[in-house]
Amino acid sequence: EDQVTQSPEALRLQEGESSSLNCSYTVSGLRGLFWYRQDPGKGPEFLFTLYSAGEEKEKERLKATLTKKESFLHITAPKPEDSATYLCAVQAGNTDKLIFGTGTRLQVFP
Amino acid sequence: AAGVIQSPRHLIKEKRETATLKCYPIPRHDTVYWYQQGPGQDPQFLISFYEKMQSDKGSIPDRFSAQQFSDYHSELNMSSLELGDSALYFCASSPDRGNTEAFFGQGTRLTVV
Repeated sequence: EDQVTQSPEALRLQEGESSSLNCSYTVSGLRGLFWYRQDPGKGPEFLFTLYSAGEEKEKERLKATLTKKESFLHITAPKPEDSATYLCAVQAGNTDKLIFGTGTRLQVFP
Repeated sequence: AAGVIQSPRHLIKEKRETATLKCYPIPRHDTVYWYQQGPGQDPQFLISFYEKMQSDKGSIPDRFSAQQFSDYHSELNMSSLELGDSALYFCASSPDRGNTEAFFGQGTRLTVV
């Protein structure tokens, strides 16, 4: 069964303290791995799509990487406005659906 | 830039009532997805449409139905509502069925009392 696991569940960082979020996946026929940011009560906001092992993408303070088993979202020198839940999702096989992990709730304190 | 529009944003219904949620995808996006997100949960896939035809189905109860219209907007119809149906319902759209990013709307918060 396709599965996505994110860790840690929650992360508290001081402003400027860099860290990484992990997304481990077990799927048959990965077509894409997606990172989203979600603020409370709002829709997931698209961040990145990664398609193959070794691929990396960057956007401001965020950098996403992909291996054959997991993806990392690296946050460099985070700011309080980066506080949110970060969701990882995969699309696999011949289905349309995104299979989401349970997310990492990030809090960045000044 | 235009985003996915959902209406209404909030909806309160009583048990056994019916609800209709609407979704207007980003222009020229021909694939629409519906997801349900319970409190503290990750989004769960319900159903998707490509070019107005159902393309995939997830854990959608038989009490729910959905369709995509000729103008590509989609509606999720929910009947015989139960307390457990209270959740955020998100619609997302993407340019095609391939492994391309899906853009989510702001959601409809359904509360069943």
